[in-house]
Amino acid sequence: QAVVTQEPSLTVSPRGTITLTCGSSTGAVTSGHYPYWFQQKPGQAPRTLIYHTSNKHSWTPARFSGSLLGGKAALTLSGAQPEDEAEYYCLLTYSDSRVFGGGTKLTVL
Amino acid sequence: EVQLVESGGGLVKPGGSLRLSCAASGFTFSNAWMNWVRQAPGKGLEWVGRIKSKADGETTDYAAPVKGRFTISRDDSKNTLYLQMNSLKTEDTAVYYCITGPTWGQGTLVTVSS
Repeated sequence: QAVVTQEPSLTVSPRGTITLTCGSSTGAVTSGHYPYWFQQKPGQAPRTLIYHTSNKHSWTPARFSGSLLGGKAALTLSGAQPEDEAEYYCLLTYSDSRVFGGGTKLTVL
Repeated sequence: EVQLVESGGGLVKPGGSLRLSCAASGFTFSNAWMNWVRQAPGKGLEWVGRIKSKADGETTDYAAPVKGRFTISRDDSKNTLYLQMNSLKTEDTAVYYCITGPTWGQGTLVTVSS
């Protein structure tokens, strides 16, 4: 089974910009992995921010964007807000399975 | 409004069985591919498995740790997804979520302990 890697923790300043990444042990992440990004706050169920690399839902704040960067999926937060402090997970799709990354704990400080 | 409501969680002894349900509403359930995801206490998310729609063959795929022990099924007449869990282990203790598209249920807690 593939292993999906994320930064364990990152810190961003309020109003700052930061990029979270999502890599695959099988090689470069492509659009064919249909990357998803989820946000989870303590005590809550996760919610979907980005699907299929870069598509947003109606509830996704405009300051979040998804892309492919350097062979990885990337989630960029531009203009961080205190309420963006959370755990972020990516999910990649393989031929017969889906695999989550270990999550990135994002601190806004 | 798309809604998913899981039920059936509880305390079970190692080696036991449990069946989770996920009641769906607000969308055409029969067309949806459905997933189960779990989260052990204090840990990250883990994909458990997926079932395709009947039109796409109703095929299932499972994560390696649960393959052969867990079975996903669906009843389109009841708009309900199931997760049959057999030969449960302590490491199966987690909150179990059902998911379709962008929508997550609120989860149901399964505790495997003697």
